[in-house]
Amino acid sequence: QKEVEQDPGPLSVPEGAIVSLNCTYSNSAFQYFMWYRQYSRKGPELLMYTYSSGNKEDGRFTAQVDKSSKYISLFIRDSQPSDSATYLCAMSDLYGNNRLAFGKGNQVVVIP
Amino acid sequence: GAGVSQSPSNKVTEKGKDVELRCDPISGHTALYWYRQSLGQGLEFLIYFQGNSAPDKSGLPSDRFSAERTGGSVSTLTIQRTQQEDSAVYLCASSSWGGTGAFTAGELFFGEGSRLTVL
Repeated sequence: QKEVEQDPGPLSVPEGAIVSLNCTYSNSAFQYFMWYRQYSRKGPELLMYTYSSGNKEDGRFTAQVDKSSKYISLFIRDSQPSDSATYLCAMSDLYGNNRLAFGKGNQVVVIP
Repeated sequence: GAGVSQSPSNKVTEKGKDVELRCDPISGHTALYWYRQSLGQGLEFLIYFQGNSAPDKSGLPSDRFSAERTGGSVSTLTIQRTQQEDSAVYLCASSSWGGTGAFTAGELFFGEGSRLTVL
């Protein structure tokens, strides 16, 4: 079993819809939970990160972490064509871990 | 420079040839990472540098892969005797994390990657 599972299926939504993405993980030591956005032929860029459980909101983006279920989510409200990208979840433990564990990513296409 | 710079952006090579990929991190960043991204796969960790030392090489897939970092700055990833399965995008990231204390993983800054195609 991979440390981080993210169903890599593409997602097409009409403009204005809510996009819902999620990942599950197996390593209970993970404390930092991140979402990276990657545009075509570009490097990933950090979108949001959350420490431990809870919700975090940033504009149209909401990240949720449920450590008891080992499940994280990203919601994009009022989706825009500029949100079309691949979204990767990533996780890290608190100390001494010098690397991130990534999911496979979801390609999101927002249709005008 | 303002961001992480990688070269070449694209590399096509024949099976069995050696390739070198270069990463120039953000100035002052002591931590440097190499990841590999294959089609339909997530990012696979390869190696981590803190300064010129590589405390974690556990992600290198075989002894054909090696990396070095000099002057605490530029890093080179070398793949010897390339195979078709080495075809991927090789991403470099840097961070200001000093190797001790709490690691704020969100501090990784990625380059645009080097796209390697092995024919």
